[in-house]
Amino acid sequence: DSGVTQTPKHLITATGQRVTLRCSPRSGDLSVYWYQQSLDQGLQFLIQYYNGEERAKGNILERFSAQQFPDLHSELNLSSLELGDSALYFCASSVGVGEEQYFGPGTRLTVT
Amino acid sequence: GESVGLHLPTLSVQEGDNSIINCAYSNSASDYFIWYKQESGKGPQFIIDIRSNMDKRQGQRVTVLLNKTVKHLSLQIAATQPGDSAVYFCAERRSNYKLTFGKGTLLTVNP
Repeated sequence: DSGVTQTPKHLITATGQRVTLRCSPRSGDLSVYWYQQSLDQGLQFLIQYYNGEERAKGNILERFSAQQFPDLHSELNLSSLELGDSALYFCASSVGVGEEQYFGPGTRLTVT
Repeated sequence: GESVGLHLPTLSVQEGDNSIINCAYSNSASDYFIWYKQESGKGPQFIIDIRSNMDKRQGQRVTVLLNKTVKHLSLQIAATQPGDSAVYFCAERRSNYKLTFGKGTLLTVNP
């Protein structure tokens, strides 16, 4: 157990809908990272927050957004969902910026 | 495109043998490398890391070797066990602290 929690574990929704994925980092970690993992693209970095502020952006679509709250938990919002958004979404956390990241168990999103 | 890639997408070994998983990277500015293990249905799990000012680092049954001359990273697992069966990813960190992951190698350990 990495200490990073993610909810929900599974999510099934229809195209065009909006969902919110939630992540709680390990105690003491200030950075939260979001990744998307699909069979054809591998593990893709989406976005990073450090102590509430956006720190780095990767291959995140404009339909996706994220935020980190004062209690350091983070949410990833996915809107106007498409079939291609079906994937595993992982959250990771680290103490600061650039240290080893600890991954949560992931949320499996299925868009039908 | 991906700058971190794996030479072998699958690797099958016998229990007790040593395993070597390879990874190539193309960004000479990368200063930090990590190996992750991902078991089926779970998130990636940190195994070992190495900074660019080192060429070797050892952990428990694992060794990471870094050859900056040819931009090559390898993970050696000694006395491979069935529990080592998983997908192994290498990742590189660049100056912007973003991790870039390779596609992964599936390691299968045969009893």
